[in-house]
Amino acid sequence: GAVVSQHPSWVICKSGTSVKIECRSLDFQATTMFWYRQFPKQSLMLMATSNEGSKATYEQGVEKDKFLINHASLTLSTLTVTSAHPEDSSFYICSARSGRARSTGELFFGEGSRLTVL
Amino acid sequence: QKEVEQDPGPLSVPEGAIVSLNCTYSNSAFQYFMWYRQYSRKGPELLMYTYSSGNKEDGRFTAQVDKSSKYISLFIRDSQPSDSATYLCAMSEGSQGNLIFGKGTKLSVKP
Repeated sequence: GAVVSQHPSWVICKSGTSVKIECRSLDFQATTMFWYRQFPKQSLMLMATSNEGSKATYEQGVEKDKFLINHASLTLSTLTVTSAHPEDSSFYICSARSGRARSTGELFFGEGSRLTVL
Repeated sequence: QKEVEQDPGPLSVPEGAIVSLNCTYSNSAFQYFMWYRQYSRKGPELLMYTYSSGNKEDGRFTAQVDKSSKYISLFIRDSQPSDSATYLCAMSEGSQGNLIFGKGTKLSVKP
């Protein structure tokens, strides 16, 4: 399957600071990437859809000014959690669709980034 | 009613058992159905992908979709301790549509 790399895998930061998470498609070009958030024992919740060269589309209830998404190239999308607070502590996962996938619609996920805000 | 319902478990079985995991859904427009496996503190890994109704087999894994009942299943034969993980069902209306995930079922296979 296609490979999606996410970095960092784990980050601890102080309240009020900003944290950037990178998502890269390593062996394919992804015009669209997705950012999810997952709380313990909860399902994956879509936060936003990241489109290369244009503004991200945010899901209802997700603050666009707090969760900045940049999709500057066909292989890289970044999520910046600005002025992080303890309630932002969560597992953030990115995914991308591969146009070369054997079936359309398959999503390939990164390894996830665990954010802990102190 | 949530769009996708999945029993969170946990489900504990002995090694070698046949495992049955399932999800129900309410949106009859869903056509693409997927099963993902997620190990602790890792991103989900695609296991099975099915379009519309029917069965699909891949090694020890079989995915079934019953659109008339709005019910999908994942069977794992000869389960192994390495199968211990959380299994998430996911589905979408179109091939490029948003995936809606179940909560995931935590499976533990005991040696």
